[in-house]
Amino acid sequence: QKEVEQNSGPLSVPEGAIASLNCTYSDRGSQSFFWYRQYSGKSPELIMSIYSNGDKEDGRFTAQLNKASQYVSLLIRDSQPSDSATYLCAGLEGIQGAQKLVFGQGTRLTINP
Amino acid sequence: GAVVSQHPSWVICKSGTSVKIECRSLDFQATTMFWYRQFPKQSLMLMATSNEGSKATYEQGVEKDKFLINHASLTLSTLTVTSAHPEDSSFYICSAIHPSGRYEQYFGPGTRLTVT
Repeated sequence: QKEVEQNSGPLSVPEGAIASLNCTYSDRGSQSFFWYRQYSGKSPELIMSIYSNGDKEDGRFTAQLNKASQYVSLLIRDSQPSDSATYLCAGLEGIQGAQKLVFGQGTRLTINP
Repeated sequence: GAVVSQHPSWVICKSGTSVKIECRSLDFQATTMFWYRQFPKQSLMLMATSNEGSKATYEQGVEKDKFLINHASLTLSTLTVTSAHPEDSSFYICSAIHPSGRYEQYFGPGTRLTVT
């Protein structure tokens, strides 16, 4: 079983600061990665996808991918209390037509006002 | 765009009965949908991959005769939990792949099942 690893946290960050969430993966063949946000009692919500090395920015969110180090990260700038949630990192694995996402265990993030 | 709905959002049933959960992609067609379950404070567990017009592919350890999946159209997949028992109580979530070619997967709001 290919793995995606995340620090389960909890990660506590003061409001307005940058929250940094990290993820490593074992399958060198994985090409696509996704970050989901999950509020307590709710289903996951896709917030970022990244497919190539480097940074990808969307508003306050920046995803970073380093395939050589098998490392994915998510930065949240100007953190808000509403960003408090569990963040799930997922990698796409499998052959064409039979692909599925492998999720990490999630990092619980708390933004302190 | 990319909205996935589930019905019902919660259901309580008696042990031994069957429950059907519907998953619909509202603004796109999805040839592939997935069914997950999630226990409190745990991560998502993939149960099965549902492909339109063909049999579902179940993950190891998931009983296909207990969790019946039907993907009869490009916008609807159903999960039927047969002969439910209290240990089947969980949060069931479906997802659908958006046909953008980027393999972005969008989740429904989930169905909370309680078996008494």
